[in-house]
Amino acid sequence: SQKIEQNSEALNIQEGKTATLTCNYTNYSPAYLQWYRQDPGRGPVFLLLIRENEKEKRKERLKVTFDTTLKQSLFHITASQPADSATYLCALDIATGYSTLTFGKGTMLLVS
Amino acid sequence: SAVISQKPSRDICQRGTSLTIQCQVDSQVTMMFWYRQQPGQSLTLIATANQGSEATYESGFVIDKFPISRPNLTFSTLTVSNMSPEDSSIYLCSGTSGGLSSYNEQFFGPGTRLTVL
Repeated sequence: SQKIEQNSEALNIQEGKTATLTCNYTNYSPAYLQWYRQDPGRGPVFLLLIRENEKEKRKERLKVTFDTTLKQSLFHITASQPADSATYLCALDIATGYSTLTFGKGTMLLVS
Repeated sequence: SAVISQKPSRDICQRGTSLTIQCQVDSQVTMMFWYRQQPGQSLTLIATANQGSEATYESGFVIDKFPISRPNLTFSTLTVSNMSPEDSSIYLCSGTSGGLSSYNEQFFGPGTRLTVL
């Protein structure tokens, strides 16, 4: 069956360090992958999109990599701050042609 | 980007009743979606709301249980019918300006927290 896996354990890091979150998938061949941030009691907020033919994408302190051979995306936040504490979700299109997304469960990041 | 609002923000309902959730977008979007998110779980897509035609439902979701309307490009409703405690969840609306086979981000509403007793 198709599956998207993100670390279920919360990631605790020190302020100023780089946080790295992982998204692994099986049995998909996504055309693109997206990362969202979700704060408690709120809807997800889009952060970055990376296409299957792109290896890396950056936006300010954020960096995403996409390895279609390993079926893995890494999401990095450099110089992390307490305000970065949230749950981060990865989402894949499953190529139905309708811009629909399948989400992972998300990883909670705690910066202190 | 688009700003999406939902009403109500939360509700507590009795078993067997129905609740209609409204989703309003501040600008036109080509596609709107409805998701469910249970505590500690990922977002699960219920359906794509199509303007002027029947919604497209994902596996495990049916129109009789989750009727959806989308009368124009900025508004949609989701009804949760004949509710049971298993329907207790957060329901989220989203929109995108992308079209078919187009790669665009989705904008989400704040969600509606539903508790069924």
